[in-house]
Amino acid sequence: AQKVTQAQTEISVVEKEDVTLDCVYETRDTTYYLFWYKQPPSGELVFLIRRNSFDEQNEISGRYSWNFQKSTSSFNFTITASQVVDSAVYFCALGHYGQNFVFGPGTRLSVLP
Amino acid sequence: GAGVSQSPRYKVAKRGQDVALRCDPISGHVSLFWYQQALGQGPEFLTYFQNEAQLDKSGLPSDRFFAERPEGSVSTLKIQRTQQEDSAVYLCASSWGTGVSGELFFGEGSRLTVL
Repeated sequence: AQKVTQAQTEISVVEKEDVTLDCVYETRDTTYYLFWYKQPPSGELVFLIRRNSFDEQNEISGRYSWNFQKSTSSFNFTITASQVVDSAVYFCALGHYGQNFVFGPGTRLSVLP
Repeated sequence: GAGVSQSPRYKVAKRGQDVALRCDPISGHVSLFWYQQALGQGPEFLTYFQNEAQLDKSGLPSDRFFAERPEGSVSTLKIQRTQQEDSAVYLCASSWGTGVSGELFFGEGSRLTVL
């Protein structure tokens, strides 16, 4: 079975704090892709990152960083020095080649000024 | 436009009415997905097209739901005899690649409210 768990339903931080969003996935396949999407209040899902299962290198993009650990089936997302504009719902997703994506339930992040 | 376009953005239907939701993907994108997102939930897969072929419709919740993409471009999701539980945002996404090999680009969604 394919499943994505995001245990944190809601997180509130004060601006400039660092915050980590957790994602744990389940799959029997050895080849798969992991994604993070941001859904701002406007509703449109915005792509943030894609990783394939053979690339465990952590990635940094500006204030965003991702920690992929196959040993714990986790793909966590950290925002450094959070800003009010980071307030959104963040979804982790799992995909397999030729098949559809499975999304987690999302984590609502509120960054307070 | 350059992005995925969905219409209508908002639809209110009386229970029992039929509705049709349209998705105009990014030009040239091979893959097209429909997702259903209930309030406070993550998107749930409905169906997947590769060009005009519907390769996976395992997520369609009942035979009242029907999707088509006859020319491999625009897609329509039709819901017959709508029920209150059909109320949700219906998201369309397209990708240049097949399946999950490429980035998914999402539209803003069609919010359906069934009274």
